[in-house]
Amino acid sequence: GENVEQHPSTLSVQEGDSAVIKCTYSDSASNYFPWYKQELGKGPQLIIDIRSNVGEKKDQRIAVTLNKTAKHFSLHITETQPEDSAVYFCAASKETSGSRLTFGEGTQLTVNP
Amino acid sequence: GAVVSQHPSWVICKSGTSVKIECRSLDFQATTMFWYRQFPKQSLMLMATSNEGSKATYEQGVEKDKFLINHASLTLSTLTVTSAHPEDSSFYICSAQTHYEQYFGPGTRLTVT
Repeated sequence: GENVEQHPSTLSVQEGDSAVIKCTYSDSASNYFPWYKQELGKGPQLIIDIRSNVGEKKDQRIAVTLNKTAKHFSLHITETQPEDSAVYFCAASKETSGSRLTFGEGTQLTVNP
Repeated sequence: GAVVSQHPSWVICKSGTSVKIECRSLDFQATTMFWYRQFPKQSLMLMATSNEGSKATYEQGVEKDKFLINHASLTLSTLTVTSAHPEDSSFYICSAQTHYEQYFGPGTRLTVT
């Protein structure tokens, strides 16, 4: 089955700096890679996703890159703000209905004012 | 769009009683719904996958007689924790899938005393 590894487990940055979270996956058949943000006591929120037919996707201050050959993908947050502080999860799945997500272990991001 | 609700948001029950948690997709029809359990500072653990009108598929190690799932319609799935014990205390989160994207509910905090 699929295995997703996520690094780092904790990340502390100063407000305005950039933050990068990296994930690797094992199943070459996976072709859908979402990122979720989870605030304390809440459910995960889908913030961006990428499919295997593209290498990069950007949405304002958030971008995701995908390297299919190396089987890794990364989340980039620029100009970080204190409200970006949360746990971020990467995930991988096959792009089919009913396909389950395999999650990374999560990264606790802290943005210091 | 893509809003998923859960009810209740938190519940306290006595050991030996049963608790039902509802998960609804508010603005879309979900082909598949998923139930997760999350312990503090850990990733999401998939408990079961359910499709409307059919029996749920449980992950290995999850007791299907203890965690009853009913997927009554394309917008409603329920999880019933039967004969709850203190070790069932946890954060339960559902997600609803449209095509292959999963959207999560806000979670239900269950405390069994």
